[in-house]
Amino acid sequence: GEDVEQSLFLSVREGDSSVINCTYTDSSSTYLYWYKQEPGAGLQLLTYIFSNMDMKQDQRLTVLLNKKDKHLSLRIADTQTGDSAIYFCALDRNYQLIWGAGTKLIIKP
Amino acid sequence: DARVTQTPRHKVTEMGQEVTMRCQPILGHNTVFWYRQTMMQGLELLAYFRNRAPLDDSGMPKDRFSAEMPDATLATLKIQPSEPRDSAVYFCASASGRYEQYFGPGTRLTVT
Repeated sequence: GEDVEQSLFLSVREGDSSVINCTYTDSSSTYLYWYKQEPGAGLQLLTYIFSNMDMKQDQRLTVLLNKKDKHLSLRIADTQTGDSAIYFCALDRNYQLIWGAGTKLIIKP
Repeated sequence: DARVTQTPRHKVTEMGQEVTMRCQPILGHNTVFWYRQTMMQGLELLAYFRNRAPLDDSGMPKDRFSAEMPDATLATLKIQPSEPRDSAVYFCASASGRYEQYFGPGTRLTVT
């Protein structure tokens, strides 16, 4: 089966860049997603990348996809307190999403 | 502003009682998912439907859980009888085909 792995925690200083990483085992997904979950809320789609792309930028967010290493990352520039949340990567597979366990982003003042 | 709605947002019930959670998917979305989220297990897929037909409910305890889509605008998840270990946040998500899933705000269930 598909394995999608993420570190459980990431701590960064306010104003620094955050880089959240995700590795996976099966590379047949067409779309790869990043979702954000704030405390007490549902998961919110942040951004996604098509599997034939290497990079996608959307304002403060940069997604990098390294298909050779089966590695997906999300970079958040100028991290703010409002970015505190759990970030999930997910890969599509036959109309389902295969989820990582989520990375909790902690912002230090 | 299209969004997935879920009711109730919070439910506290006693062990053995029936619990029904409802979800209204985004209009036009033909795929509906039910997830459960706990601290210990993370996000688990319970069941999903496409065009109202159940496609996969292998993540669901069959003896007490049931999921249905009576029509295209309503999905339900029922637990009967409920147990304390069912305490979790239950999310519904909808999608248009194989594309990104949009989540509802969740139902926080506490079974005492």
